[in-house]
Amino acid sequence: DAKTTQPNSMESNEEEPVHLPCNHSTISGTDYIHWYRQLPSQGPEYVIHGLTSNVNNRMASLAIAEDRKSSTLILHRATLRDAAVYYCILRDISNFGNEKLTFGTGTRLTIIP
Amino acid sequence: SQTIHQWPATLVQPVGSPLSLECTVEGTSNPNLYWYRQAAGRGLQLLFYSVGIGQISSEVPQNLSASRPQDRQFILSSKKLLLSDSGFYLCAWGRLAGASYNEQFFGPGTRLTVL
Repeated sequence: DAKTTQPNSMESNEEEPVHLPCNHSTISGTDYIHWYRQLPSQGPEYVIHGLTSNVNNRMASLAIAEDRKSSTLILHRATLRDAAVYYCILRDISNFGNEKLTFGTGTRLTIIP
Repeated sequence: SQTIHQWPATLVQPVGSPLSLECTVEGTSNPNLYWYRQAAGRGLQLLFYSVGIGQISSEVPQNLSASRPQDRQFILSSKKLLLSDSGFYLCAWGRLAGASYNEQFFGPGTRLTVL
């Protein structure tokens, strides 16, 4: 699976937007971009995923670069409950049936009240 | 709705003792099942995954093993625990809801301390 690169940590003020970057320069045409987050002492939870177009859901937005070599997870208005480790993951859909996700070390997001 | 259960929530075991962690899923059939481990301050490491009963793939060679005796039951075992086995063990399930969608749902985890 192609690798992703994320900053180890980021800080943001409460009630402000947060942009979490992810680089995936070796992404292939069949790789989907997934984001998960892990709250303290809990298992990860799905946030969003996309292929080429920007995506929005109730939790966040995903902005994907035109060349797909990077993406940004956008939390529109951060709350203290958004403090978590955020993982950017690529999944190759051509490997159908081998449904693995490879988690890196992610970005630890701290929200400042 | 689907739910995933793991037990126990916490466990303290001496070095050399056996281990059995159980994970069960409700509300879905033929899920993919996964065991992950997270050492303190580290990322998630995929240990095993299963696409069906009796079908186990190991990602990392170690003294752990996994079994899937029933469709929605996944067990992680060890005959003799090592200090390095300490960590947060997470079970997850995923569904083949189309080629593009592979959301994995994680259980509450078991925090294992080996002394």
